[in-house]
Amino acid sequence: DIVMTQSPDSLAVSLGERATINCKSSQSVLYNSNNKNYLAWYQQKPGQPPKLLIYWASTRESGVPDRFSGIGSGTDFTLTISSLQAEDVAVYYCQQYYNSPLTFGGGTKVEIK
Amino acid sequence: QVQLVESGGGVVQPGRSLRLSCAASGFTFSSYAIQWVRQAPGKGLEWVAVISYDGANKYYADSVKGRFTISRDNFKNTLSLQMNSLRAEDTAVYYCARGGSGIYSWFDSWGQGTLVTVSS
Repeated sequence: DIVMTQSPDSLAVSLGERATINCKSSQSVLYNSNNKNYLAWYQQKPGQPPKLLIYWASTRESGVPDRFSGIGSGTDFTLTISSLQAEDVAVYYCQQYYNSPLTFGGGTKVEIK
Repeated sequence: QVQLVESGGGVVQPGRSLRLSCAASGFTFSSYAIQWVRQAPGKGLEWVAVISYDGANKYYADSVKGRFTISRDNFKNTLSLQMNSLRAEDTAVYYCARGGSGIYSWFDSWGQGTLVTVSS
């Protein structure tokens, strides 16, 4: 099974500042035949289901603000919120869909400092 | 718009069974893989199972393999999760979510979830 490890577990960022979340997979999720990383990011606010933010490690889902960006390849990935807004308070999860079982990271809680 | 509505949750005793359903609308259900993901109270997300668009391929987390069965009815646009031999650790909110045409895809639409509580 591919283990997804996120860091940090939580972080507090001032409004307008940058938030950076890391995700590391225990094996590469880069599929060589199409050069795509099978990695997605989700946002979950309290009492709500997860919401897709990014897929293919860096492609923003339609309607997601451009302050959210994803980067990385192979085993190391980063989700960045360039200018934190109050509505971004949530838990963020990475997920690999490279193979079964599909696995999630443990989550990173983002709060306002 | 895409809509997924889970139902069937409730309180059940350990060792008993429960069947969850997910009703889909607003898209061509038979073209998409669908998954179940659960979330224990105060915990993170745990993938449970996925079924391909045509029902031919199914995969399960080790924690539920042999106890849970995922199925779909593409005529009724519904997904099901038959859960047998339930354990306390199966207590969670269960979400259904839409994938892509293949099993290995991101999940772009989620239901609101249904709570399953396993307790005597």
